[in-house]
Amino acid sequence: EAQVTQNPRYLITVTGKKLTVTCSQNMNHEYMSWYRQDPGLGLRQIYYSMNVEVTDKGDVPEGYKVSRKEKRNFPLILESPSPNQTSLYFCASSRDSYEQYFGPGTRLTVT
Amino acid sequence: AQTVTQSQPEMSVQEAETVTLSCTYDTSESDYYLFWYKQPPSRQMILVIRQEAYKQQNATENRFSVNFQKAAKSFSLKISDSQLGDAAMYFCAYDQTGANNLFFGTGTRLTVIP
Repeated sequence: EAQVTQNPRYLITVTGKKLTVTCSQNMNHEYMSWYRQDPGLGLRQIYYSMNVEVTDKGDVPEGYKVSRKEKRNFPLILESPSPNQTSLYFCASSRDSYEQYFGPGTRLTVT
Repeated sequence: AQTVTQSQPEMSVQEAETVTLSCTYDTSESDYYLFWYKQPPSRQMILVIRQEAYKQQNATENRFSVNFQKAAKSFSLKISDSQLGDAAMYFCAYDQTGANNLFFGTGTRLTVIP
């Protein structure tokens, strides 16, 4: 089954404790992205990757890092999380602009 | 930067009736895609319908159809014969062809009244 998986689905952490949210896709897609969803703001792109070792900032990259060492994986790293990073995070992958496939979302709470 | 505007934070519709959700966007590009995504309480993002800007014909998927007005930069979603399962948050989104960066509106929460 073609899918994008994210782990963990829920995470509660404290300010400053480094964390990683994993994302994996099994569709051999070149493009992968991370979005965050906040009430009243819709979804906004954090980072995207066009292929292995090629990443670039989206609209709200501050406080986040990513890496793309393998085509299927695109982890999101918060090195020093802060409460304003409390959000719902989505990973997505695509072959082209025709359709992006979204993961199930990760609910992150930073206290 | 591209912007997508959904001016209706909430809408409601009687079961079996028709409802239209509005979306406008701003771009200087001529080649792009527009999408409507549905987000039920499960939070999963579900693609409802897409429209390629170069196509004049409005996209249709079963009970869902769009009214795409390229010159006016308008992209509304019509849901016919509304069902209880249509209740969700609906997001309009734009993607410049080849960019793979979706710009989303702020969403419209649709309630379906039995």
